[in-house]
Amino acid sequence: DSGVTQTPKHLITATGQRVTLRCSPRSGDLSVYWYQQSLDQGLQFLIQYYNGEERAKGNILERFSAQQFPDLHSELNLSSLELGDSALYFCASSVDFKETQYFGPGTRLLVL
Amino acid sequence: GQNIDQPTEMTATEGAIVQINCTYQTSGFNGLFWYQQHAGEAPTFLSYNVLDGLEEKGRFSSFLSRSKGYSYLLLKELQMKDSASYLCAVREGGAGSYQLTFGKGTKLSVIP
Repeated sequence: DSGVTQTPKHLITATGQRVTLRCSPRSGDLSVYWYQQSLDQGLQFLIQYYNGEERAKGNILERFSAQQFPDLHSELNLSSLELGDSALYFCASSVDFKETQYFGPGTRLLVL
Repeated sequence: GQNIDQPTEMTATEGAIVQINCTYQTSGFNGLFWYQQHAGEAPTFLSYNVLDGLEEKGRFSSFLSRSKGYSYLLLKELQMKDSASYLCAVREGGAGSYQLTFGKGTKLSVIP
């Protein structure tokens, strides 16, 4: 158990819908990262927050957005969902942006 | 951008030694990580190299050559539970903004 928690564990929804994934970092960690993992693409970095501020952006679609709240938990919002958005979404956290990232258990999203 | 290559699959025998190679091309290298990931689970941190040489941690060792853009993960005394995917990840960036780029992973099967 890494200490990073993610909810929900599983999510089934329909195309065109909007969902919110939640992540709580390890105690003391200020940096949160979001990743998408699909079978053909591997683990893809989406976005990073540090102490409430966006720090780095990867291959994140415009339909996706995220934020980190004052209590340091983070939410990833996925809208206008498409079949291809079906994937495992992982959150990771680290003490700061230079340290090792520890991953949460992931949210498995299925878009039908 | 980055290009990270590692073999797609490997098979090894219980009790043996296996070496998983990773080559990369990057413009702003800032460290190389190895993670283990069992199917459907979160990646788990194994090792970190930022300087050339060998880092040993129990049955696992990782080597880095920055000039060659090359790393390997060495697993000794293989156990059945070592059957998993092994992800090579390169950290790039600086000035408060770092990004991890993952290879597609090497699926290791340990056979009796």
